[in-house]
Amino acid sequence: QVQLQESGPGLVKPSETLSLTCTVSGGSISSYYWSWIRQPPGKGLEWIGYIYYSGSTNYNPSLKSRVTISVDTSKNQFSLKLSSVTAADTAVYYCARDANVDTAMGFYNWFDPWGQGTLVTVSS
Amino acid sequence: IQLTQSPSSLSASVGDRVTITCRASQGISSYLAWYQQKPGKAPKLLIYAASTLQSGVPSRFSGSGSGTDFTLTISSLQPEDFATYYCQQLNSYPRTFGQGTKVEIK
Repeated sequence: QVQLQESGPGLVKPSETLSLTCTVSGGSISSYYWSWIRQPPGKGLEWIGYIYYSGSTNYNPSLKSRVTISVDTSKNQFSLKLSSVTAADTAVYYCARDANVDTAMGFYNWFDPWGQGTLVTVSS
Repeated sequence: IQLTQSPSSLSASVGDRVTITCRASQGISSYLAWYQQKPGKAPKLLIYAASTLQSGVPSRFSGSGSGTDFTLTISSLQPEDFATYYCQQLNSYPRTFGQGTKVEIK
């Protein structure tokens, strides 16, 4: 079955750029939307944005000025860059597939599967 | 769209019936999912389209609602169900989550 794995530095300095990659295995990255979600320690979930395999993106307005999500279909990977980070960006970062089904009642989405998550700490 | 879950936490015993509520700040039809998260783990999908049980999820979990009010019910709480539960709206962007409901052992 499809599995996702996040990778990247666990420590980033303030004002620098956070860079993470999500590798998709067990299936193709094509024909799906792929999202990044983060969770500060002890807090709730925040959707960062998605990328479609074709390269189209949609970002959370709260982060839009600092976020770039890209895709490399040849490597079955997609990536997150978050610039000008501060301590408030310290969080576990997850990647997930935005799956969907088209039914007579509507076009329904959900996030599944998720990667295991990677903790990124912003500190000097 | 803001999602408000209630309660924020609850204590229950094995075998209890547990109900968690999620209220949306505007109508989202049935575009709602529920997730379970255990400490140190990624969220796990339980229900999508408000009431459709994900494959492999025990039938003691059920979801209902439409519009602005939704519920997640665990009919008979099991030891492995102690976790934090989140609702998520998929009606519009940005996707948003409720603040979570922590289910603890009484």
